[in-house]
Amino acid sequence: DAGITQSPRHKVTETGTPVTLRCHQTENHRYMYWYRQDPGHGLRLIHYSYGVKDTDKGEVSDGYSVSRSKTEDFLLTLESATSSQTSVYFCAISETGGPTTNEKLFFGSGTQLSVL
Amino acid sequence: QKEVEQNSGPLSVPEGAIASLNCTYSDRGSQSFFWYRQYSGKSPELIMFIYSNGDKEDGRFTAQLNKASQYVSLLIRDSQPSDSATYLCAVKRRGENQGGKLIFGQGTELSVKP
Repeated sequence: DAGITQSPRHKVTETGTPVTLRCHQTENHRYMYWYRQDPGHGLRLIHYSYGVKDTDKGEVSDGYSVSRSKTEDFLLTLESATSSQTSVYFCAISETGGPTTNEKLFFGSGTQLSVL
Repeated sequence: QKEVEQNSGPLSVPEGAIASLNCTYSDRGSQSFFWYRQYSGKSPELIMFIYSNGDKEDGRFTAQLNKASQYVSLLIRDSQPSDSATYLCAVKRRGENQGGKLIFGQGTELSVKP
């Protein structure tokens, strides 16, 4: 999966607890993304990063925060998990470069999160 | 109306046939178009991208783009059982100049029967 590692692969947690998902890349790519995938909705962008300490919101960012203190790591935090955040979470990266390069996404293996 | 729409399927075709997968998008200014393949329980994998009107061929795959009709399609020739997967259409909106902030359709499930 293009040098992308997501951890954990599976997580079960309780409503109201904080949860942090980690994405680690070995490609030294500039751009990193967090998407969630739900039946009937496809993939939806949560947050993205253009570089270290440079992040912004996607279309479904409520209830999530991110941090990127190093090029290789992009953390997604659910501040107080809710059942509606039960989903498969995918991290993606794209290369530094011009528009036809930096928009091609490579995905990690995903994290299945269940909030009970 | 969803910004990127696909028929969820399942689309069933016999082995050796042409599979035709369709996608429409609402933002007329969208600039880049992608097809991802996702096997069950796996992550999406980029298989085709197209920027200009017309056809783009890569092996058994052909992407077709018609910006006037806001329509992009993927043809798979000589379909194989190994092509059975969900195919995701993705679009990059106008004005999104940095990176890959893509809008995805909900995917079409393709089943190729031996």
